[in-house]
Amino acid sequence: QKEVEQDPGPLSVPEGAIVSLNCTYSNSAFQYFMWYRQYSRKGPELLMYTYSSGNKEDGRFTAQVDKSSKYISLFIRDSQPSDSATYLCAMSYGGATNKLIFGTGTLLAVQP
Amino acid sequence: DAGITQSPRHKVTETGTPVTLRCHQTENHRYMYWYRQDPGHGLRLIHYSYGVKDTDKGEVSDGYSVSRSKTEDFLLTLESATSSQTSVYFCAISESKGANQPQHFGDGTRLSIL
Repeated sequence: QKEVEQDPGPLSVPEGAIVSLNCTYSNSAFQYFMWYRQYSRKGPELLMYTYSSGNKEDGRFTAQVDKSSKYISLFIRDSQPSDSATYLCAMSYGGATNKLIFGTGTLLAVQP
Repeated sequence: DAGITQSPRHKVTETGTPVTLRCHQTENHRYMYWYRQDPGHGLRLIHYSYGVKDTDKGEVSDGYSVSRSKTEDFLLTLESATSSQTSVYFCAISESKGANQPQHFGDGTRLSIL
């Protein structure tokens, strides 16, 4: 079993829809949670970074962490065609090296 | 955008040949990382560096070596490339070791080994 599970999609939604992207994890030692956005043939770009359980909002993006359920989510409001990309969740134990464990990514297509 | 340049951006080579990929940063960050990205596996850590001449292994280090002689450059070497090393390779940097310093990525090198 992988440490981090992420539905690969693809997920197709109409412009303006609310998008929900999710990851589950098995190791309760993860402390830091990130979402990266990756456009085709580009490197991952950090979108959201959270530490504790609860919600964090940044513009149209909301990251949610539920440590008791080992579940994280990224919500995108008023989705735009420019949001079409692969979304990667990542987690870290913290500590000396800051090693990240990534999900496999969800491919999102927002249709105009 | 973080000042990270990976070279070459694309490379095709043959099995058994040595290959070196370069990551150059202009941010003066201490930590540098090499990942590979493959379908169904996501990004996996190969090696990382926590300072000049200080490196350590990641999750998938077999068949790879690294060197860091200057803060700004981190080299990844495949001593004798195999087809299983065909992948997209990403370099990342972070300012410090704390987990509150997120990693920022370059745009990758697409490596094909025939």
